[in-house]
Order: sequence, then structure tokens, then C-alpha cells
Amino acid sequence: KNEVEQSPQNLTAQEGEFITINCSYSVGISALHWLQQHPGGGIVSLFMLSSGKKKHGRLIATINIQEKHSSLHITASHPRDSAVYICAVRSGTGGETSGSRLTFGEGTQLTVNP
Amino acid sequence: DAGITQSPRHKVTETGTPVTLRCHQTENHRYMYWYRQDPGHGLRLIHYSYGVKDTDKGEVSDGYSVSRSKTEDFLLTLESATSSQTSVYFCATGQFSGNTIYFGEGSWLTVV
Repeated sequence: KNEVEQSPQNLTAQEGEFITINCSYSVGISALHWLQQHPGGGIVSLFMLSSGKKKHGRLIATINIQEKHSSLHITASHPRDSAVYICAVRSGTGGETSGSRLTFGEGTQLTVNP
Repeated sequence: DAGITQSPRHKVTETGTPVTLRCHQTENHRYMYWYRQDPGHGLRLIHYSYGVKDTDKGEVSDGYSVSRSKTEDFLLTLESATSSQTSVYFCATGQFSGNTIYFGEGSWLTVV
């Protein structure tokens, strides 16, 4: 079993729909990241959170530390939201030489049709 | 976005040849990382650097070496490329341990 599991693997939605992507992890973490990978490969960091909820535009990320679960929501989805969304966790605090050693999920492919 | 440039962006090479991928950043970030991305796997860490001349192994470091002689450049070398190293390679940087990291555009490597 992977340390980071995302669901669903693939998601197709109609423009305007509310989208939820889930991420479950099995280890204690110090932070969780949500990333977006566009067709063509570029990866952009959307959120980094360790508790509660964060919002940026139409994107909302939540995390429940006790349940080891995070969700990424997209409100009023648009075709330009079509991308792979990746969850990554950082275990423990490490030290200054450990860097940000992240464990990544396999990603969720989102397609939003007009 | 951090200014991260990877080169080459695409390369086809033969088995047994050495290959070097370059990552150049303009943000003066302390930490730099090399990941590979393969179907059925999440991004996996190959090597990382926490300062000039300071590097350490990641989870899939066999067959790879790295060097960081200055803050802005982090080189990934495949000493003798194998078909199993066909992958997409991503460089990433970050200023602080555990903080947001920024990714380059990726380098597609095919070993034939």
C-alpha cells in the first residue's frame, strides 16, 4: 500500500460542477502539499497546509490530521482546470539537511468538458 | 514562479552512454531536488542538495550522481544510461526545508 493514496484516479466533469479530489496518507506528517500538473508537464504548487483549510480563488484545500485525510475542492469548474492534481506529504520535521523530502501520490487526472 | 530552467528538455540517447541533465535557478534557493516521474508511480526523489557541495541520496539514487558547485546549478548525471532510466525528470527548488517547492518544466529522457 502506498503511503499516499489519491482518489479518484480519473475524474471527468462538466463545466460548472463542484469537484472534490481526495488524499489519504498513512504516516504522521508535518505538511501536505497540493500540486497541479498541466498537459506538457509543468508542475505548480497550489497549497501547502498543516491544519484546517486554505482557499485561493475557486480552489479550497482542507486537511484532517486525526483522520490522515485531505481534500482539494474546485468550485465552478472550468475546462482550464483540466490537469493532473497531485498530493504530497512531508513526514516528520527532519533537520536543515533533510530538505523537503516529499512522498507523492500518483495524481488524479481531471478533465472538465465545456 | 521561481526561475528554474532545465536542459535539455528532450533527449534520446543510447544504452551505456553518459547523460547529464542541468537545472539552473535564479532565485538563490538553498535546496534543490531531482525527481523522476513514471507511470504508476508518484514523483520519486533521486538526489537533493541542501547547499553548495552538500548533497544526499533520495529513494531511487542507484545509477545517478549529482553535483552542485554553485548555488544556481544542480547537475544530474547518468553514468551509463539504461532503458529503465527512460523517464521524465523534474528539478525543484525551495528556500527553506519543509517550505513550498518550485518545479522546473521537466526533461524527457529516452534511453534506447
